[in-house]
Amino acid sequence: DTGVSQNPRHKITKRGQNVTFRCDPISEHNRLYWYRQTLGQGPEFLTYFQNEAQLEKSRLLSDRFSAERPKGSFSTLEIQRTEQGDSAMYLCASSLLSGRNTGELFFGEGSRLTVL
Amino acid sequence: DQQVKQNSPSLSVQEGRISILNCDYTNSMFDYFLWYKKYPAEGPTFLISISSIKDKNEDGRFTVFLNKSAKHLSLHIVPSQPGDSAVYFCAAPNKYIFGTGTRLKVLA
Repeated sequence: DTGVSQNPRHKITKRGQNVTFRCDPISEHNRLYWYRQTLGQGPEFLTYFQNEAQLEKSRLLSDRFSAERPKGSFSTLEIQRTEQGDSAMYLCASSLLSGRNTGELFFGEGSRLTVL
Repeated sequence: DQQVKQNSPSLSVQEGRISILNCDYTNSMFDYFLWYKKYPAEGPTFLISISSIKDKNEDGRFTVFLNKSAKHLSLHIVPSQPGDSAVYFCAAPNKYIFGTGTRLKVLA
């Protein structure tokens, strides 16, 4: 399978704990995005990388959230001191930027976080 | 500020009939749009796109129409099939803003 892979698929944690999600994009894709989706809402942009550079972060991404893509391949999203409001589906997507076309996004299946 | 809006949270259509899903946007600088489909427990998958230089793009049973003066686009599915039952999102490329989605249910 050469699609976008995310793990873990499900994570249940207690409030105040730290959690980390991993995303492996499609190998030749140079852009990687993180989104958050809650029930009844569309995906909300959090941040994106072009290769290893984090180019943009949403104001939704508080200082408890940090994302990395150290070698321009896989990425991690860490949430520190989790709060119940962090409960959501965290989606990763990748795309191949070429010229003016930002490329369609290919999404992983998501990592569902439940904070008790 | 919801720059992309899908005002119908759900839609039910009989199998074989046309499904029309609507999307409105506020930023006239958006130069292309995409539709995604999402099944439960899966990530969204790309369905069809349209550039602002066009007013229509067709791919099989799926057609997207763009009305730039009204800042409105619509996705037509005809004929609708039960397997089309999913949540549909329109998206604008500016930071890949997504609408809130419309849940389509196609009744057999």
